[in-house]
Amino acid sequence: SQKIEQNSEALNIQEGKTATLTCNYTNYSPAYLQWYRQDPGRGPVFLLLIRENEKEKRKERLKVTFDTTLKQSLFHITASQPADSATYLCALDEGSSYKLIFGSGTRLLVRP
Amino acid sequence: NAGVTQTPKFQVLKTGQSMTLQCAQDMNHNSMYWYRQDPGMGLRLIYYSASEGTTDKGEVPNGYNVSRLNKREFSLRLESAAPSQTSVYFCASSEGLPGTGGEQFFGPGTRLTVL
Repeated sequence: SQKIEQNSEALNIQEGKTATLTCNYTNYSPAYLQWYRQDPGRGPVFLLLIRENEKEKRKERLKVTFDTTLKQSLFHITASQPADSATYLCALDEGSSYKLIFGSGTRLLVRP
Repeated sequence: NAGVTQTPKFQVLKTGQSMTLQCAQDMNHNSMYWYRQDPGMGLRLIYYSASEGTTDKGEVPNGYNVSRLNKREFSLRLESAAPSQTSVYFCASSEGLPGTGGEQFFGPGTRLTVL
């Protein structure tokens, strides 16, 4: 069956460290993958998109990698800050049906 | 720009009642979407609309109907609410067609409880 997996356990790190979140998928061949940030009680906010022919994408302190062989995307936040604390969702296109499929998200807590 | 707006923010229904969730966007986007978000299950697509006058089923359409009233507005209707429809509902929009990689802009959500 098709699955997107994100670590359901919260990631707890010290301010200033690099946070790394993982998104694994099975039985999909996505043309692209997106990452969103969601704060409590609010809607998701788009952060980055990476296409299947791109290995890495950067935006300020954010970096995303996409390994279609491993079927995995890694999302990095360098020099993390308490304001980065939120839930991060990965999403990929299903391919034939043009739907965006979301993972359940990983909560990041950055301690001051 | 207000972006994507949703009304109401909160709603409590009794089983069997009906209601319509309203969504509007002011970004002149072509595509609009309705999702539900349940704990541990992520966002699941209910219906989407690639353009004014067209709608398509998503992953979990049963028990819902939608109307793309014009380019700005996309409403979601529950004809006979059930406790299984207790959830947080998000409306979203994107500039291009679904599946083209365009970022989706989300509204603030409607928290619905069905007793």
